[in-house]
Amino acid sequence: AQSVTQLDSHVSVSEGTPVLLRCNYSSSYSPSLFWYVQHPNKGLQLLLKYTSAATLVKGINGFEAEFKKSETSFHLTKPSAHMSDAAEYFCVVSDQGGYNKLIFGAGTRLAVHP
Amino acid sequence: SQTIHQWPATLVQPVGSPLSLECTVEGTSNPNLYWYRQAAGRGLQLLFYSVGIGQISSEVPQNLSASRPQDRQFILSSKKLLLSDSGFYLCAWSVGSGTYEQYFGPGTRLTVT
Repeated sequence: AQSVTQLDSHVSVSEGTPVLLRCNYSSSYSPSLFWYVQHPNKGLQLLLKYTSAATLVKGINGFEAEFKKSETSFHLTKPSAHMSDAAEYFCVVSDQGGYNKLIFGAGTRLAVHP
Repeated sequence: SQTIHQWPATLVQPVGSPLSLECTVEGTSNPNLYWYRQAAGRGLQLLFYSVGIGQISSEVPQNLSASRPQDRQFILSSKKLLLSDSGFYLCAWSVGSGTYEQYFGPGTRLTVT
């Protein structure tokens, strides 16, 4: 069975400093992995996706993530945080059961301080 | 381009009242459609998904039901709301049957009083 664990429920950074949101996954096959972002009272927006092509994936708003099979990790990074990055971030793995079903992590709330 | 709409945006309903939330998708054909609930401070729970008109799969037994009367319309309903039905309801769509991403609507905030 597939699962995803987000290692931090809250992360706090200062504006202009790097962001690291950690995610480990478990899958019995080669998964597709995604990061979504949710601003308060909004829907989820796809940041980036990994689908077995390049292991370093670039997304929107300067975010990127690296797929490391040996570590079963898919951490999200950004070189310099902006105040508008404050939101909830979800690491997601594809469900082997098909129909594009997704399995969500519990989320990491990112706070950005001036 | 594709867009997804949900309404209403917010809803306050008393316990025991009925519920109907609507989701429509534009710009694509034969999408897979999904209903999720997000309780306060918690992750997303998949409630229902549909791969075609009249085809509904339930993920969690509960007080809710779903219907898909048209290709791009997905409705979430309840005959009698419970306090525990409060939450943020999200509709999403995808295409294909592999491991592709989903695209989410703006959500409906439901408060049951």
